Amino acid sequence: AQSVTQLDSHVSVSEGTPVLLRCNYSSSYSPSLFWYVQHPNKGLQLLLKYTSAATLVKGINGFEAEFKKSETSFHLTKPSAHMSDAAEYFCVVSDENSGNTPLVFGKGTRLSVIA
Amino acid sequence: DTAVSQTPKYLVTQMGNDKSIKCEQNLGHDTMYWYKQDSKKFLKIMFSYNNKELIINETVPNRFSPKSPDKAHLNLHINSLELGDSAVYFCASSHNFAGGEDGYTFGSGTRLTVV
Repeated sequence: AQSVTQLDSHVSVSEGTPVLLRCNYSSSYSPSLFWYVQHPNKGLQLLLKYTSAATLVKGINGFEAEFKKSETSFHLTKPSAHMSDAAEYFCVVSDENSGNTPLVFGKGTRLSVIA
Repeated sequence: DTAVSQTPKYLVTQMGNDKSIKCEQNLGHDTMYWYKQDSKKFLKIMFSYNNKELIINETVPNRFSPKSPDKAHLNLHINSLELGDSAVYFCASSHNFAGGEDGYTFGSGTRLTVV
């Protein structure tokens, strides 16, 4: 069965500094991996996805993530944080070959951006 | 045009009452879901339907009953509400369980408060 571990429950950065949100996954097959963002009192928005094409994936709002099979990681990065990036971020895994198994969410990482 | 819309956005009700949350998607997706997000932001799958057929029914009290009149709608009815049912409930839809190219599209959530 697939699972994801988000290594930090809370990350705090200063505006203009880099962002790193860490995610490790476990999957029996070739996974699809996603990052979702949830702003306060809002729904979930897809940031980016990896589906076995390029290992470096670019998403919206300047975020990107790199799939590293050897490390079973899919960390989310952004070169320069903006105040509007403050939100909850979820790493999500799916197995294309696992039949009727829905997306599995990590427990989330809360990103705070300090002015 | 909202892709996945759920109503109501907020619901405050007394213990013991029965309430329903409605969800509609206009994306032509075959699969719909209900997720529950607790106070720690953890997202857990509750139900999933594919073309009006129940596929996933996690360990949810049988006071919760989903209904899918057609593949564009998935409603959630809750009987005899309890304090522990207080949470944010998210509806989502996708082409298939793996999420495909677009992942899951989420509604904006229904914040249920049981008093």
